[in-house]
Amino acid sequence: DQQVKQNSPSLSVQEGRISILNCDYTNSMFDYFLWYKKYPAEGPTFLISISSIKDKNEDGRFTVFLNKSAKHLSLHIVPSQPGDSAVYFCAAITQGGSEKLVFGKGTKLTVNP
Amino acid sequence: EPEVTQTPSHQVTQMGQEVILRCVPISNHLYFYWYRQILGQKVEFLVSFYNNEISEKSEIFDDQFSVERPDGSNFTLKIRSTKLEDSAMYFCASMGWGETQYFGPGTRLLVL
Repeated sequence: DQQVKQNSPSLSVQEGRISILNCDYTNSMFDYFLWYKKYPAEGPTFLISISSIKDKNEDGRFTVFLNKSAKHLSLHIVPSQPGDSAVYFCAAITQGGSEKLVFGKGTKLTVNP
Repeated sequence: EPEVTQTPSHQVTQMGQEVILRCVPISNHLYFYWYRQILGQKVEFLVSFYNNEISEKSEIFDDQFSVERPDGSNFTLKIRSTKLEDSAMYFCASMGWGETQYFGPGTRLLVL
């Protein structure tokens, strides 16, 4: 039961270019979305989030876009840096409902110098 | 910056043995969670804990699992009789008011 899908297991970009990571969800009850970044042997680190009442949230080099009608969100990193190389997880939650985060399988981003 | 800590970082145990994984959540947080990630798979929710009781648990969290907050700072996950398929990374998370859960570095459990 994949309620949150990240269809690209990996992505490779050049330093300085834009990285776009995509995420789709099926559960229309989800109303809050988060991106986590994970390095090997570490736990997921919170990166950025967006509420369903917004369609964009920006924090420095990171921007998350939400298209509710398409049940799609994306994370843009610009410019990409080698230190951004990690696995990125999309996660979703229903505010005021179930407390569990539902994760996608992750996308491994490699930023080449 | 406050962070969630977990001990041990690695645990190797024999099948059938009991293990206790420990977590120290961020001090002013009220909601506590355990997740696990089997190698190559997604991070999966196990259980949430609030106000000294389980608020939600997944199908994975069967009678072999238990959680407690024995002293107001530690948050533990106990697996009574480990199985081979319990081998995974176990992540503790905590949350204050709001929707952002902060994760610990994980405990890698290997059941032989």
